[in-house]
Amino acid sequence: KQEVTQIPAALSVPEGENLVLNCSFTDSAIYNLQWFRQDPGKGLTSLLLIQSSQREQTSGRLNASLDKSSGRSTLYIAASQPGDSATYLCAVRRGETSGSRLTFGEGTQLTVNP
Amino acid sequence: DAGVIQSPRHEVTEMGQEVTLRCKPISGHDYLFWYRQTMMRGLELLIYFNNNVPIDDSGMPEDRFSAKMPNASFSTLKIQPSEPRDSAVYFCASSLDPGPHNEQFFGPGTRLTVL
Repeated sequence: KQEVTQIPAALSVPEGENLVLNCSFTDSAIYNLQWFRQDPGKGLTSLLLIQSSQREQTSGRLNASLDKSSGRSTLYIAASQPGDSATYLCAVRRGETSGSRLTFGEGTQLTVNP
Repeated sequence: DAGVIQSPRHEVTEMGQEVTLRCKPISGHDYLFWYRQTMMRGLELLIYFNNNVPIDDSGMPEDRFSAKMPNASFSTLKIQPSEPRDSAVYFCASSLDPGPHNEQFFGPGTRLTVL
């Protein structure tokens, strides 16, 4: 059974810092990995998706990396801003079709202080 | 597109009452997912549909939970009778297959409180 772990559970940083969120998974046979952002009382917004054949994806100040063989992914946020404060979740997909189950980590709650 | 729409956004009910949560997926998406999020268990998949047909309901906790998708633009998740331990945020998500990344798009969720 796939298990996804995110460390740390919570993180508080001053504005402007670069930071790294970690995600690990126990079964390396994944199709892709997705990072989501969840704001309080809101749904999940997809940030980045990395296919199993890729090493990293970038979007603006965000960079996600994937080391499938070691079962790890990181989300790097450059020059953090108070608006980045949210819970960040990673999820791995087992198979190719949309119906393939997503397994989520429990999230990292990020607070960026002005 | 307005995205995935869920209603109600908040529901407070008493134990034993029937609760119905509603979801409208993104137009054209052929997969629909129901998730439950709690502090204790995180985000869990309850059931998903493909072309209105339930494919995997192994995540449905017990017979008190049922889900239907009568057409491509509407789905319901019903709890009857509700219990306090059902209190959670319930999310609906949809996706298109084959899509470039099979990305799932989530609705804002329904926060359910059972007293």
